[in-house]
Amino acid sequence: DTGVSQDPRHKITKRGQNVTFRCDPISEHNRLYWYRQTLGQGPEFLTYFQNEAQLEKSRLLSDRFSAERPKGSFSTLEIQRTEQGDSAMYLCATKAGQYTEAFFGQGTRLTVV
Amino acid sequence: KQEVTQIPAALSVPEGENLVLNCSFTDSAIYNLQWFRQDPGKGLTSLLLIQSSQREQTSGRLNASLDKSSGRSTLYIAASQPGDSATYLCAVFNNAGNMLTFGGGTRLMVKP
Repeated sequence: DTGVSQDPRHKITKRGQNVTFRCDPISEHNRLYWYRQTLGQGPEFLTYFQNEAQLEKSRLLSDRFSAERPKGSFSTLEIQRTEQGDSAMYLCATKAGQYTEAFFGQGTRLTVV
Repeated sequence: KQEVTQIPAALSVPEGENLVLNCSFTDSAIYNLQWFRQDPGKGLTSLLLIQSSQREQTSGRLNASLDKSSGRSTLYIAASQPGDSATYLCAVFNNAGNMLTFGGGTRLMVKP
């Protein structure tokens, strides 16, 4: 499969626990984005990487959220001390360049109980 | 701040109808516009990408138009089929190309 890969697909966690999601981009896509989507809404931007540099962060990304992209390949999104309001679908997208199409992964569905 | 609006929020049509989904955006300084399809509980599938210099793009039964100056795009679906039932999302890339802003989507139901 040469598409954007996200792991895990589903995660159920207790409030207060830390969770980490992973995104593997399409090969040679240097731009990587994280989005959050709640039921019935469009995706909301969280953060953007160009290679290993995190160039944009949304105000939605509180201090409990951190994202990394070591070596400019896969990326991780960590949520510390999860809250029920963090329950959402977390989507990763990648692009090859400025003018090209964005491709999304299947998402990670997080449920905080 | 860019805002993207999609009308209608939901649409139900009988099979075989041609239909138009609308998307409007407040800031015309965009790089490009992309239409996506999303099935329940799934990720987004790219349908069409229109560069800011283009007026329209076609793929099979889908045709997307872009009027950048008026901040509007439409997605035309010809001869709709039950398999077209999904949520359709439009999104615009800002001029720096580092952020994609989405509309709320149109939930389409095509009845057999």
